[in-house]
Amino acid sequence: ELKVEQNPLFLSMQEGKNYTIYCNYSTTSDRLYWYRQDPGKSLESLFVLLSNGAVKQEGRLMASLDTKARLSTLHITAAVHDLSATYFCAVVPLDRGSQGNLIFGKGTKLSVKP
Amino acid sequence: GAVVSQHPSRVICKSGTSVKIECRSLDFQATTMFWYRQFPKQSLMLMATSNEGSKATYEQGVEKDKFLINHASLTLSTLTVTSAHPEDSSFYICSARWGVTLYEQYFGPGTRLTVT
Repeated sequence: ELKVEQNPLFLSMQEGKNYTIYCNYSTTSDRLYWYRQDPGKSLESLFVLLSNGAVKQEGRLMASLDTKARLSTLHITAAVHDLSATYFCAVVPLDRGSQGNLIFGKGTKLSVKP
Repeated sequence: GAVVSQHPSRVICKSGTSVKIECRSLDFQATTMFWYRQFPKQSLMLMATSNEGSKATYEQGVEKDKFLINHASLTLSTLTVTSAHPEDSSFYICSARWGVTLYEQYFGPGTRLTVT
């Protein structure tokens, strides 16, 4: 059974601090996604990682992918309150790649406090 | 950029009635659309995958007779919740993609269904 595990599930940080969210997956996949969800809203695409060693950065967020370890990280640098949200990682299993359906982790609820 | 809309954004219905949710790709042709359900404080669970002009593929445990999905055109997919019950209350999100190899999937804004 395909599993996508995120940790931590809850993260309370102070503004200005750094932290990393981890996403492990149990099957072979050629792409990994990170999304942000604000309360009551749909998903906002943050990053798409398509190859081993891929690293992408946008503002205070940086995502990386290690396909051999089946691990992706989302690193938060100098957190600010506006980053408070729930962050999901998702993978497309290769055996269902032709459909492209996503399997999501449980999400990490990030709360940045002043 | 690619835009996906959903209608309605919120709906309240009584138990036993049916409700239809529309998902439209506004500026591209979606060969595949996906329907997800999200319960409060939980992750998104894939319900079904629909390809234009063919029957939807439902995930295990999703009742196809209860959640009717139609993908009649390249820009429209509908999800009909039939004989709704309070336990069907959830946030329903659709997403759409173009082609087989394109890696991006575009999400709609979601529909909040409350069954009383």
